[in-house]
Amino acid sequence: QSALTQPPSASGSPGQSVTISCTGTSSDVGFYNYVSWYQQHPGKAPKLMIFEVNKRPSGVPDRFSGSKSGNTASLTVSGLQAEDEADYYCSSYAGSNKNVFGTGTKVTVL
Amino acid sequence: QVHLVQSGSELKKPGASVKVSCKDSGHTFSNSAINWLRQAPGQGLEWLGWITTYTGNPTYAQGFTGRFVFSLDISVSTAYLQISSLKAEDTAVYYCARGSDILTGCDSWGQGTLVTVSS
Repeated sequence: QSALTQPPSASGSPGQSVTISCTGTSSDVGFYNYVSWYQQHPGKAPKLMIFEVNKRPSGVPDRFSGSKSGNTASLTVSGLQAEDEADYYCSSYAGSNKNVFGTGTKVTVL
Repeated sequence: QVHLVQSGSELKKPGASVKVSCKDSGHTFSNSAINWLRQAPGQGLEWLGWITTYTGNPTYAQGFTGRFVFSLDISVSTAYLQISSLKAEDTAVYYCARGSDILTGCDSWGQGTLVTVSS
């Protein structure tokens, strides 16, 4: 199972929006609506931000939204804030009780 | 509220074994999917697999069968990751992470355990 493909970096100014892509295959992202997104600050454990493509856990700001089209899922962060600067990882169910994670994207707030 | 606490850092020589623990101080351990992931220095997250606390059945990601073993001790709400025949490339921070199932993401994470393999 190959890792999902994410751009290495993305950036935006405070208040702007940034969108991160996560490209898989018709066997994972394209087949299942079980895409999750995680935020990881340096030296910290990841935090769940989105599950089932577009659902937010309690406590996650509605500035974070998820979507999917075909084999590509996306995470959009609207109204960028300094604390959004972090690494972001997607993951997808890939069948046979297995998950696959993305390569990670470093988001910089300019 | 789920709170996962992992064991401390380990320094091991190549060829040795290590066992990392992950204790759940919440009240949902008996209805959980405990995932194991690792993150090598400066690298991304890598999913090793998971174990269901319903049956104790483990599932391993491709490339992590044989040397990696997941286990549980339900009586103390603790999950374990044992790695044998350690190699330098196993040096990483190892995380346990809990989900209600394998599908809907990991909503609680341990603090991570650094395993360093060096002669």
